[in-house]
Amino acid sequence: AQTIHQWPVAEIKAVGSPLSLGCTIKGKSSPNLYWYWQATGGTLQQLFYSITVGQVESVVQLNLSASRPKDDQFILSTEKLLLSHSGFYLCAWRTDNYAEQFFGPGTRLTVL
Amino acid sequence: QQQVRQSPQSLTVWEGETAILNCSYEDSTFDYFPWYWQFPRESPALLIAIRPVSNKKEDGRFTIFFNKREKKLSLHITDSQPGDSATYFCAASANNNAGAKLTFGGGTRLTVRP
Repeated sequence: AQTIHQWPVAEIKAVGSPLSLGCTIKGKSSPNLYWYWQATGGTLQQLFYSITVGQVESVVQLNLSASRPKDDQFILSTEKLLLSHSGFYLCAWRTDNYAEQFFGPGTRLTVL
Repeated sequence: QQQVRQSPQSLTVWEGETAILNCSYEDSTFDYFPWYWQFPRESPALLIAIRPVSNKKEDGRFTIFFNKREKKLSLHITDSQPGDSATYFCAASANNNAGAKLTFGGGTRLTVRP
């Protein structure tokens, strides 16, 4: 069975500080991985996706970047946080069955 | 441009009633429509999904009705239970590609009163 882990669970950061969020999936080789962002009380917006190591495609940047350093790892980062970055960050993986995507537990980010 | 719309924004039903959540879309190339539910402070979970080859998909108390001509679909929850109280998101995706971008609607917050 596949398991997806995100870290940290929650972060409180200052405006202008750097950020790095991580996602790891186990039990699935060469997974398609995705980053989503959800504002409090809002809908989900896809940010990035990656189909293989070293390759990342941007959907909506929001002054963020993503990297795929390992087959099972997806990283979301920025050098300078904005207030608008606050929200719930979700990593997802896709099954081989068409476009089914399953979400990780998420990281809740508060920027002050 | 909001490509996937949901209504109502919030819905309250009594336990045992049928809840009907609506979704419409604009892009005719969308060919996969999953519904996710999300409980407070949790991540969304896939509930049920449909592809346009069918106009109905049923899973227990949850049924999707799909109208391709009108670009509308609805999620019916029969015999609603308080545990069904959550925010429901309709999403859509076009083409079986690696990006498989899911476009989400704004969500419907369902409350089931005992």
